[in-house]
Amino acid sequence: AQSVAQPEDQVNVAEGNPLTVKCTYSVSGNPYLFWYVQYPNRGLQFLLKYITGDNLVKGSYGFEAEFNKSQTSFHLKKPSALVSDSALYFCAVRVGAILTGGGNKLTFGTGTQLKVEL
Amino acid sequence: EAGVVQSPRYKIIEKKQPVAFWCNPISGHNTLYWYRQNLGQGPELLIRYENEEAVDDSQLPKDRFSAERLKGVDSTLKIQPAELGDSAVYLCASSLDPIWEQNTEAFFGQGTRLTVV
Repeated sequence: AQSVAQPEDQVNVAEGNPLTVKCTYSVSGNPYLFWYVQYPNRGLQFLLKYITGDNLVKGSYGFEAEFNKSQTSFHLKKPSALVSDSALYFCAVRVGAILTGGGNKLTFGTGTQLKVEL
Repeated sequence: EAGVVQSPRYKIIEKKQPVAFWCNPISGHNTLYWYRQNLGQGPELLIRYENEEAVDDSQLPKDRFSAERLKGVDSTLKIQPAELGDSAVYLCASSLDPIWEQNTEAFFGQGTRLTVV
């Protein structure tokens, strides 16, 4: 079974400071990892993904994430937070290789509320 | 390009009544998902379609929930009868065929917020 853990329910950061939202995963096989953001009363918006290659991936709105296989982590980062970044962030995982039979099942974490203050 | 379209956006019904949600995925996306998101929690998969075939419905409460994706395009999710605990946001998402690994992310609709009273 695959799973995602987001250990922090909420992260508070001052505008202009760097932010990190943590995510660890468990999956049998090669992981495909994703970050989504959700604003109030909206659906989930795709931010970035790791499929293969460079461990540091860059996504929308200045966000990036670093894949660490040994620590089974995929933390979301941004060098300088904005108040408009305040939202609910979800990490998700699926099994990569079709040959493992993982198909396309996407499993989400419980979410981390990011609050950026002036 | 139009995104995933869901309707209605909001629905309030009395318990024991039926309700249906509709989803039109992004054109060309073969995989379609229905998720349920309870307040303060992450989305939980209810059912996943590859074209018109339901390939994962293990989390769907089959005694009251049903879904269909005729012709492998749009989909409906039905609850009959609804219970108080069904109050949640129902999200539909779609993605390209998994063979195309570089385009594997799912795109979500805005969801239907169901309130059962």
